[in-house]
Formats: sequence, C-alpha cells, structure tokens
Amino acid sequence: ETGVTQSPTHLIKTRGQQVTLRCSSQSGHNTVSWYQQALGQGPQFIFQYYREEENGRGNFPPRFSGLQFPNYSSELNVNALELDDSALYLCASSSLTGGYEQYFGPGTRLTVT
Amino acid sequence: RKEVEQDPGPFNVPEGATVAFNCTYSNSASQSFFWYRQDCRKEPKLLMSVYSSGNEDGRFTAQLNRASQYISLLIRDSKLSDSATYLCVVNPGTGRRALTFGSGTRLQVQP
Repeated sequence: ETGVTQSPTHLIKTRGQQVTLRCSSQSGHNTVSWYQQALGQGPQFIFQYYREEENGRGNFPPRFSGLQFPNYSSELNVNALELDDSALYLCASSSLTGGYEQYFGPGTRLTVT
Repeated sequence: RKEVEQDPGPFNVPEGATVAFNCTYSNSASQSFFWYRQDCRKEPKLLMSVYSSGNEDGRFTAQLNRASQYISLLIRDSKLSDSATYLCVVNPGTGRRALTFGSGTRLQVQP
C-alpha cells in the first residue's frame, strides 16, 4: 500500500451542487497532485500543490480549486457540478526532492446526476 | 494528436505467453517515463520507471527510445494475475511534476 488515503470512497451529487474531496499524502511526501479519470481514459492532471501553493494546473476550469494544509494533506473542491464531472478522482503524493514517481490513493468515485 | 498514445487492446494471451506493449509520446522535452498498472476500478500503481539504457524487473522489461519517442514494455511468462490495464506515463518536463497518461492498454491473460 502507498499510504495515500482519500475520502470519501464514493459520492453522489446533483448537477449544480458543490463537492469537497480529501487526501492525505504518504509520510515524507510534500507534494500532492490531483487527477480526474473518466471511464475508459487515462487520468488527466487537474493541479498540483507544494508547500500550500498551487504548483501547476492542467486544462480544468476555475470551478476546480484546491488547498494544501501544513501537514501536506489536500482538498479538491468542485463548484457548480456538471454531469461530465462524473469520474474517479485520484490524489497522488510525491516529493519534489525525489524522483518524478507519484503514488496514488484509492480514489473517490463521484457520480453527478 | 494525443500527448501519449497507446494501443487500447485488449490483448488476449494465454498463460506463459510473452506480450509487448508500445507507446509513443509527442513532447521531445519529456524527462521521465513510467509504466503504471491499473486493475479494474482501482488506482494506478507504479510498475516501473523506464530508463534510456533499458531496465528489467523480474519478468518485466522496459525500453525507451528517445530518438523515436517510443516506450515499450515486455512481459514474459504471463500470469493470470498480470491481467490489468497498463498505462504509459510521461513527465512532460514543463517544470512541474505533473504526469501525462496514455489511455492504457488492456491485457487479459487466459488459462
């Protein structure tokens, strides 16, 4: 196991609602990245946090936002949910002083109806 | 053109077979390369990093050809437990450590 945890495991929301997903990184890792994985696709990079600041962002709209806390845990917030936001949301932890490998948590499966 | 392209498969092979997956990437500045394995409805797990000199881990061998922007994974003596989706992953070298994933190649090893 990677030691990366995510909550909740599953979530069902209605279009237009807001959601917060949580992630605790592996011990010793100071960087958290979030990915969205739609069915049948590879994960797509949303953004990355390092030292509580956003350290890069993929092609996702501003309604996707995040936070990183002093203990390196992180949140992903999505406002005004759309049906296409239904996906597996993955958190990955890494260390910027280490290699480029990232270690994934089990994910949160979000369904928007 | 996708940044990382893989044959989606599925590859259906008998136990004990040797199977090879290929992947191409578009960004010549890419710095790091990996294969991840993903079981159905689970998270991706790092299988191995890929180095220019090629590297082997038991039954798995990975190769990188920077000139052709091509990555491969060879699995020898396939086991039933190797059945999964194999994701080709690249760090595009943009200064941040985001990973770019291919869509994955599905492998089904049959008894």
